[in-house]
Amino acid sequence: DTGVSQDPRHKITKRGQNVTFRCDPISEHNRLYWYRQTLGQGPEFLTYFQNEAQLEKSRLLSDRFSAERPKGSFSTLEIQRTEQGDSAMYLCASSFQLAGPYNEQFFGPGTRLTVL
Amino acid sequence: QKEVEQNSGPLSVPEGAIASLNCTYSDRGSQSFFWYRQYSGKSPELIMSIYSNGDKEDGRFTAQLNKASQYVSLLIRDSQPSDSATYLCAVKDNFNKFYFGSGTKLNVKP
Repeated sequence: DTGVSQDPRHKITKRGQNVTFRCDPISEHNRLYWYRQTLGQGPEFLTYFQNEAQLEKSRLLSDRFSAERPKGSFSTLEIQRTEQGDSAMYLCASSFQLAGPYNEQFFGPGTRLTVL
Repeated sequence: QKEVEQNSGPLSVPEGAIASLNCTYSDRGSQSFFWYRQYSGKSPELIMSIYSNGDKEDGRFTAQLNKASQYVSLLIRDSQPSDSATYLCAVKDNFNKFYFGSGTKLNVKP
């Protein structure tokens, strides 16, 4: 098992451009989460999927952000018309939902976005 | 808004000492609690999970949970310089959302 992978690891873009990030979860995991983390803060929830269904999206997320998980495997996060405030580490995590509260979540290495 | 509070630190301890990290949470209905370690520039790494009141030990790490007080702690025994990192407390609510504290920075001095 290779763990959660994310691509690219770093992305530098100009303000106004669109960017797309990919996450490949641990193969048997049915839940996939996206987070954003800025310096000195903990990860901030963006959205999550159970299989291919997007179950919740943060109200903090503007309409410029969209995520998909078309076949219940990998997921993509797209940011349209990037702004300098979008500069952050974007983290993906996956878990396997068990009955009860047990639900350990494992993170990928993250994609660091810099918007110039 | 569900909140997870941690002292930002830095917490400085000498090598070989016990480091004690604390976390409080606002959602009384939460059932799942986690500690992550995050080195600078890296992603969080899960080190402990705890679901029941009391203590859970794993090697040099002990997690403690008190749901009545809405309090979670992490003890690191025999602290090593390699333990120097930011420790994130995370809480999962009944809707499968995870909430993270801002982390406590731990410095272990040789």
